[in-house]
Amino acid sequence: AQTVTQSQPEMSVQEAETVTLSCTYDTSESNYYLFWYKQPPSRQMILVIRQEAYKQQNATENRFSVNFQKAAKSFSLKISDSQLGDTAMYFCAFMKHALAQGGSEKLVFGKGTKLTVNP
Amino acid sequence: EAQVTQNPRYLITVTGKKLTVTCSQNMNHEYMSWYRQDPGLGLRQIYYSMNVEVTDKGDVPEGYKVSRKEKRNFPLILESPSPNQTSLYFCASKDSALWVGSPLHFGNGTRLTVT
Repeated sequence: AQTVTQSQPEMSVQEAETVTLSCTYDTSESNYYLFWYKQPPSRQMILVIRQEAYKQQNATENRFSVNFQKAAKSFSLKISDSQLGDTAMYFCAFMKHALAQGGSEKLVFGKGTKLTVNP
Repeated sequence: EAQVTQNPRYLITVTGKKLTVTCSQNMNHEYMSWYRQDPGLGLRQIYYSMNVEVTDKGDVPEGYKVSRKEKRNFPLILESPSPNQTSLYFCASKDSALWVGSPLHFGNGTRLTVT
């Protein structure tokens, strides 16, 4: 079974600085997808960024970028120019290719990292 | 606006009293799923549905039921709730036909407390 590990339960960063959240996963699959979701105090689950395992290029969305190391099974999230609105719980998630799991398309989540951006 | 709508947002009930949490999506998505979120455990899948009349168990299905009679609706039913089902519940949907690996779209969550 796949597992996702987020080793930092809590982190803090000063506004405008850069922070990196770590995520490692365990799988024997070669084709899969990785996601970072943000959960602010409002409880919404908001997609931050998505990476396809077969793509070597790291995904980027504005101030958010990932460092995807497939061999090391690592998928860290870098937030540049941190803003107060980035304060949230961040979840790393893994999904096998649908054909590899009979269509369940289940997301396997890590336990989350609580990020606080300080003014 | 494209969205997944869950109701109610908060629910307090007593042990054994049947309840239903509704979920509806307006994006014509085939795939829908329920997750529960507990502190220190992240989110875990309860049930999922690949299309109308097709449902299957996720990782933690005990004590829950679902139905998928219409494409847009996917209610979660607790026939006899117990305190260990106190949790934050999320409904989610995705367009499986659009592209492989498409992300899940989540509802705003239902905070359930069973006393």
